[in-house]
Amino acid sequence: GAGVSQTPSNKVTEKGKYVELRCDPISGHTALYWYRQSLGQGPEFLIYFQGTGAADDSGLPNDRFFAVRPEGSVSTLKIQRTERGDSAVYLCASSLRQGVYNEQFFGPGTRLTVL
Amino acid sequence: QQQVKQSPQSLIVQKGGISIINCAYENTAFDYFPWYQQFPGKGPALLIAIRPDVSEKKEGRFTISFNKSAKQFSLHIMDSQPGDSATYFCAARNTDKLIFGTGTRLQVFP
Repeated sequence: GAGVSQTPSNKVTEKGKYVELRCDPISGHTALYWYRQSLGQGPEFLIYFQGTGAADDSGLPNDRFFAVRPEGSVSTLKIQRTERGDSAVYLCASSLRQGVYNEQFFGPGTRLTVL
Repeated sequence: QQQVKQSPQSLIVQKGGISIINCAYENTAFDYFPWYQQFPGKGPALLIAIRPDVSEKKEGRFTISFNKSAKQFSLHIMDSQPGDSATYFCAARNTDKLIFGTGTRLQVFP
C-alpha cells in the first residue's frame, strides 16, 4: 500500500472530549497537509508541515486544534474539548516536497462525529 | 479574495455528452489550478491541473480551459461515462495550500 493512510476511519466522540487523528504519509514525502471537509463542501486548509515544522498553520480554527509531526513522517491532529461543530471529515495529504507543481495525494479521511 | 467560486452545484448529463464545470477566482497570487475528483467515502484524487501561463490543457477526455484575464477556468469532460459520476472540485494554490471550490456533483446516466 503506497498511499496516504489515516486512522481511525471513523471516530465518534462526545462533546468536550479530546481526540487524536493520525496520518501516515506516502514514504519519502516531506510535505504533509491537513484539510477539513464539511458535508457538501470542499476541503478547507488547516495546516501544513515541511519536515517536522509547521510551515503554515493559518487555517487552524482556534487553539483547541493542534497538530504535530515529530519525526517528519507520521502526523497527529489533536482536538481538545470537541464541539458539535467540529464534526467533519478530516483529510490528510502529502506531497514529495513543497512547491508549485508537486501533486498533493489525499488519504481517505477520518470522519469525526461529535455528539 | 481567497475564495474560489464553482458552478453548477450539480450536473446531470447523458452518457456520451459533454460535462462542463466552471470556476472563478479573485486572487492573482494563485499560481496553480488543479481539478480533483472525489468518490463517496474516498479522498480527492488529482484529475488534471494547469498553470496560469497556459490557456488550455487536455488529457484524454478531460480538458481545462483557462482565461487569465477573466480569472476563470473550466473543466470539460468529453464523452461522459457513468463511471465519471462523482464530485468534482476545482482548486487554486497559494503558498502551498490549496483553496477548493464548493464542488459539483456530476451524475452521468446511461
